[in-house]
Amino acid sequence: EIVLTQSPDTLSLSPGERATLYCRASQTVSSNYLVWYQQKPGQAPRLLMYDASSRATGIPDRFSGSGSGTDFTLTISRLEPEDFAVYYCQQFGRSQTFGQGTKVEIK
Amino acid sequence: QMQLVQSGAEVKRPGSSVKVSCKASGGTFNNYALSWVRQAPGQGLEWMGGIIPIFGPAKYAQKFQGRVTITADESTTTAYMELSSLRSDDTAVYFCARGGNYFSWFDPWGQGTLVTVSS
Repeated sequence: EIVLTQSPDTLSLSPGERATLYCRASQTVSSNYLVWYQQKPGQAPRLLMYDASSRATGIPDRFSGSGSGTDFTLTISRLEPEDFAVYYCQQFGRSQTFGQGTKVEIK
Repeated sequence: QMQLVQSGAEVKRPGSSVKVSCKASGGTFNNYALSWVRQAPGQGLEWMGGIIPIFGPAKYAQKFQGRVTITADESTTTAYMELSSLRSDDTAVYFCARGGNYFSWFDPWGQGTLVTVSS
């Protein structure tokens, strides 16, 4: 099973700041099979990025993704109030697994 | 744009079973996978299994093999997830979600169904 480890567990930032979230895989994952979700309290996850760097429909361009191999990054260029949430990465190259999540909280 | 609407919250006794439904509307049902993903309180996401209605039998995560059954009714565009031999650690929110394949990204998601297992 491919284990995805996200870091940090919690990111405390202010609106307007830049957020950088990491997702490290225990084995190589094709970027075609790496996605990111955003989840707010009491809601279902929402697809943010697919193919590691493509924004899903309706996702603003302050969200960007990058990476390859075992290391992937989600960047939010300038945090808006609605961006404070938990973010998960997922791989589906071999079966599928999720990272444990990174909580982006208001400082 | 497909929408997925799930059945309501359940409270179950340990050892019993629960069946959760997921009604799809507004999109193609048969050609896509419908998966089930659960989230224990305060925890992360865990894929349980999925089904592609036109292909028939579901695929399951090894952890849940033998305890979960996923089915789909094409006539009502509804998918079902039944989990048996419930334990307290099965207490979770259960989501259905559409994927392009058994192993895929998921979009959209249902609203989630809280299943509480308690004596």
